Amino acid sequence: QVQLQESGPGLVKPSQTLSLTCTVSGGSISSGGYYWSWIRQHPGKGLEWIGYIYYSGSTYYNPSLKSRVTISVDTSKNQFSLKLSSVTAADTAVYYCAREAKATNYFDYWGQGTLVTVSS
Amino acid sequence: AIRMTQSPSSFSASTGDRVTITCRASQGISSYLAWYQQKPGKAPKLLIYAASTLQSGVPSRFSGSGSGTDFTLTISCLQSEDFATYYCQQYYSYPITFGQGTRLEIK
Repeated sequence: QVQLQESGPGLVKPSQTLSLTCTVSGGSISSGGYYWSWIRQHPGKGLEWIGYIYYSGSTYYNPSLKSRVTISVDTSKNQFSLKLSSVTAADTAVYYCAREAKATNYFDYWGQGTLVTVSS
Repeated sequence: AIRMTQSPSSFSASTGDRVTITCRASQGISSYLAWYQQKPGKAPKLLIYAASTLQSGVPSRFSGSGSGTDFTLTISCLQSEDFATYYCQQYYSYPITFGQGTRLEIK
């Protein structure tokens, strides 16, 4: 059973960089066949896909966030990470990591989510 | 980006009811549509993919239909555990986009 777990600071100051890590267990990121994605949900709102990374390091980002997003992977730790720069209060959200099958592109496994608040 | 619009945004129903939620895409997406259920404080849970294929372990009272631009999620006999928010998601093209959600409440 694949499990994903987000970790990182719950509070980030405006203009700083939000950094989160997703640790995958029960399966190897390096096995291929899956994209590893970040999705966020503003409080009381819908879901916004941020981007994905493949184990090889190839990425694809949502154009709406592309200029501020970096997703990286550490296959030795079975982790992937999100960095979002120049954050504002509008980036306050629950951030989820999720697995997306490469051939199908829906999300079959999700982390529990972590709330990140942007505030001074 | 493809815009996904769900209707209604919220509604009330009773256990045992049959309910239908609609999702419309701003352009044709073939059958590249998934449905998720989300309960408060939890991550979304995949219910249906490819518009009508039930994810393993999901009760058969859930069903999906549609192709092109119009899709529906039907719950044939509402159970207490079904009261949640439902989202559609298109995966026809990037960026992947979700509907705004339909909140199903107990009447």
